[in-house]
Amino acid sequence: EVQLLESGGGLVQPGGSLRLSCAASGFTFSTYAMTWVRQAPGKGLEWVSAISGSGGSTYYVDSVKGRFIISRDNSKNTLYLQMDSLRAEDTAIYYCAKETSSWGTFDYWGQGTLVAVSS
Amino acid sequence: EIVLTQSPATLSLSPGERATLSCRASQTIASNTLAWYQQTPGQAPRLLIYDGSNRATGIPARFSGSGSGTDFTLTISSLEPEDFAVYYCQQRNSWPRTFGQGTKVDIK
Repeated sequence: EVQLLESGGGLVQPGGSLRLSCAASGFTFSTYAMTWVRQAPGKGLEWVSAISGSGGSTYYVDSVKGRFIISRDNSKNTLYLQMDSLRAEDTAIYYCAKETSSWGTFDYWGQGTLVAVSS
Repeated sequence: EIVLTQSPATLSLSPGERATLSCRASQTIASNTLAWYQQTPGQAPRLLIYDGSNRATGIPARFSGSGSGTDFTLTISSLEPEDFAVYYCQQRNSWPRTFGQGTKVDIK
């Protein structure tokens, strides 16, 4: 059974940093690209970043480029999102999701971790 | 960036009725690059349809996807109580991946 468990969320001041983690199990982690998607309170879904199975390719939405870094440790079956220079508009639930073999579709999702950016 | 516009914003229907949800892309996308997700309150999204018309594992046959070019449709043939939720379309035709703003299907 595929399981994705996010952690690392919390309350942070504007300009601060957080690192989110997503522990994966139930599939061959290194074989699949992974993605972060966020959802601001009461709003829709926004794709944030993706990383290939090897970690060699990464992609970001423009609003987080230069501030967020996606990475993975295939030896630990864990996905990360380093978030720096956080802004109020980054407040959201952050979901990690497994991509299918045809890159760009998200077939399994974690339950999410809440990031709140406020002074 | 490809903008996906979903309509209507809210669809009020009764159990047993047919639901038709629309997703329009701001430019032509390959029909096999469109997916649909369902989200119930407090839960993570769930993949329903991928590559335009393929049901994901465990998704009932009452859900179907169709469309091409810029216009795509999710149809629920006969609404069950558990189908009242928010539905999102999403494209993987190009970067950045984008979602529509969602259609809420609620009980009339």
